[in-house]
Amino acid sequence: EDQVTQSPEALRLQEGESSSLNCSYTVSGLRGLFWYRQDPGKGPEFLFTLYSAGEEKEKERLKATLTKKESFLHITAPKPEDSATYLCAVQAMNTDKLIFGTGTRLQVFP
Amino acid sequence: KAGVTQTPRYLIKTRGQQVTLSCSPISGHRSVSWYQQTPGQGLQFLFEYFSETQRNKGNFPGRFSGRQFSNSRSEMNVSTLELGDSALYLCASSTGLGLATNEKLFFGSGTQLSVL
Repeated sequence: EDQVTQSPEALRLQEGESSSLNCSYTVSGLRGLFWYRQDPGKGPEFLFTLYSAGEEKEKERLKATLTKKESFLHITAPKPEDSATYLCAVQAMNTDKLIFGTGTRLQVFP
Repeated sequence: KAGVTQTPRYLIKTRGQQVTLSCSPISGHRSVSWYQQTPGQGLQFLFEYFSETQRNKGNFPGRFSGRQFSNSRSEMNVSTLELGDSALYLCASSTGLGLATNEKLFFGSGTQLSVL
């Protein structure tokens, strides 16, 4: 069964303290892996799509990487405005459905 | 350009009632998908519509249904509400074939449904 697990569930960081969020997945052939950011009271906002192992994408302080079993979202020198829930989702080759993880709630303190 | 609009923003219903939620996609977007978000389960796929046709459906009971109109606006309906249906219902739109082509999704802010 296709599955996505995110860890940790919650993460508290001091401003400037870099860290990584993990997304482990099990799918029968990966079509794509997606990262979204969700602020309280809002819908998720697209960050990245990764398609194959070894691929990396960057946007400001965020960098997403992909292996055959997991993806990492690295946050470098985070700021309080990076506080949000980060969601990972995968799409398998044999289906159009998106399977989401339950997210990592990130809090960055000044 | 206006984003995805969902109405109403909040809704309170009682068990056994039915509810209809509305979603207006970004202008020009033809694919609309719906998701249920709860603290314990995260986002779960309900269904996807493209050009008024349901393309995919998640593992939800038949009480959950939807439709899409010729202007791409979509509605979802939940009949015979249960306490467990309390959740944030999110709608997302995309430009082309949506989930079939790995396109990024643009989400609305959701409708928070509370069933008492």
